[in-house]
Amino acid sequence: SSELTQDPAVSVALGQTVEITCQGDTLRPYYASWYQQKPGQAPVLVMYGKNNRPSGIPDRFSGSRSGNTASLTITGAQAEDEAEYYCNSRDSSGVRWVFGGGTKLTVL
Amino acid sequence: QVQLVESGGGVVQPGGSLRLSCAASGFPFNNVGMHWVRQAPGKGLEWVAVIWSDGSLKYYAESVKGRFTISRDNSANSLYLQMNSLRVEDTAVYYCVSRGIAVQDAFDIWGQGTLVRVSS
Repeated sequence: SSELTQDPAVSVALGQTVEITCQGDTLRPYYASWYQQKPGQAPVLVMYGKNNRPSGIPDRFSGSRSGNTASLTITGAQAEDEAEYYCNSRDSSGVRWVFGGGTKLTVL
Repeated sequence: QVQLVESGGGVVQPGGSLRLSCAASGFPFNNVGMHWVRQAPGKGLEWVAVIWSDGSLKYYAESVKGRFTISRDNSANSLYLQMNSLRVEDTAVYYCVSRGIAVQDAFDIWGQGTLVRVSS
């Protein structure tokens, strides 16, 4: 099995830029995907692959990878971006998946 | 409209069994790998199980291996999770999730979830 490590909480001032990171050995061979979850709602995919946004996700969201660390960047954070963010990737077996512990983003 | 709708959640005693169902619509179900992901109250997401599009391969998280069985009926556009020997720590919202409908290699469509509570 493998682990993905996220900071538990991050804050950003309204309109500023914030980076949410995810660390794990399996992020070298596999890209991370990122999910936004607001209270009482199911998660929503916001980023996948090298730097791909699903239809309907604002272009202020972007993704990147360096070594064993994946990042989700929000450029010009909005109040509606306040949520829990989870990264996800395959584990070392390649046929199971693992989520990071989640990062609670607060927009000040 | 692409949709996943879970059902079958409820309250069950430790050691008991429960079967979750997920009805899929709006996409070619038999072309898509399907997963179950769960979330304990106030906790993060945990991947549970996957079944290949044709049902030929299934994989499980270590925490449920040997107790849970994932299955599908492509003729009925349905996904299932048979949960046996349930434990208090299995209490969670269970999500039915697709991988690869709209995008490649990501959990792109999520159901609304069904709550399973294991309690005496």
